[in-house]
Amino acid sequence: AQTVTQSQPEMSVQEAETVTLSCTYDTSESNYYLFWYKQPPSRQMILVIRQEAYKQQNATENRFSVNFQKAAKSFSLKISDSQLGDTAMYFCAFMKLNNNDMRFGAGTRLTVKP
Amino acid sequence: GAVVSQHPSRVICKSGTSVKIECRSLDFQATTMFWYRQFPKQSLMLMATSNEGSKATYEQGVEKDKFLINHASLTLSTLTVTSAHPEDSSFYICSARQYNTGELFFGEGSRLTVL
Repeated sequence: AQTVTQSQPEMSVQEAETVTLSCTYDTSESNYYLFWYKQPPSRQMILVIRQEAYKQQNATENRFSVNFQKAAKSFSLKISDSQLGDTAMYFCAFMKLNNNDMRFGAGTRLTVKP
Repeated sequence: GAVVSQHPSRVICKSGTSVKIECRSLDFQATTMFWYRQFPKQSLMLMATSNEGSKATYEQGVEKDKFLINHASLTLSTLTVTSAHPEDSSFYICSARQYNTGELFFGEGSRLTVL
């Protein structure tokens, strides 16, 4: 079974600064997907960024980038130039290549302070 | 991006009654949909996988007779909470897998409160 671990229940960052959220996972699969989702107070799950395990290049999406270390099974999210609207719960998620059910970490509550 | 709609977004019911929550993919076909449950300040826990035209696959510990899932068409899956009790109160979220791309899209969630 796949497990996803987010070891930071809460984090805060000053507006315009950079913050990194950590995520580790455990799997015996060689090919899979990793995701970061944002869940604001509205509870709508919003895809932030996605990484295919077979790609060595780290995914980047505007102010959001990941540090994917496959050997270490680590998938951290870096948010640059933090904005107040980034305040939300962030979930790291794992999905096998041939099975689309997604497994989530416990989440990290990020607060961006003005 | 693709849209997944859940209805109702909020529902309050009396203990012992049944409640149905719908999950619709509005602009794409979804062969597979997933139902999650989320308790306050906790993560999403997969309850079951719903495949169009076949029986749902439930995760260990999820009562099949209490959480009835039907996926009668490529755009609609329903979750019925039968004989609801206060402990069934939770936030239920569905996701739908787009048939041709395999991407997953989430609904807005449904908050169930059982009195």
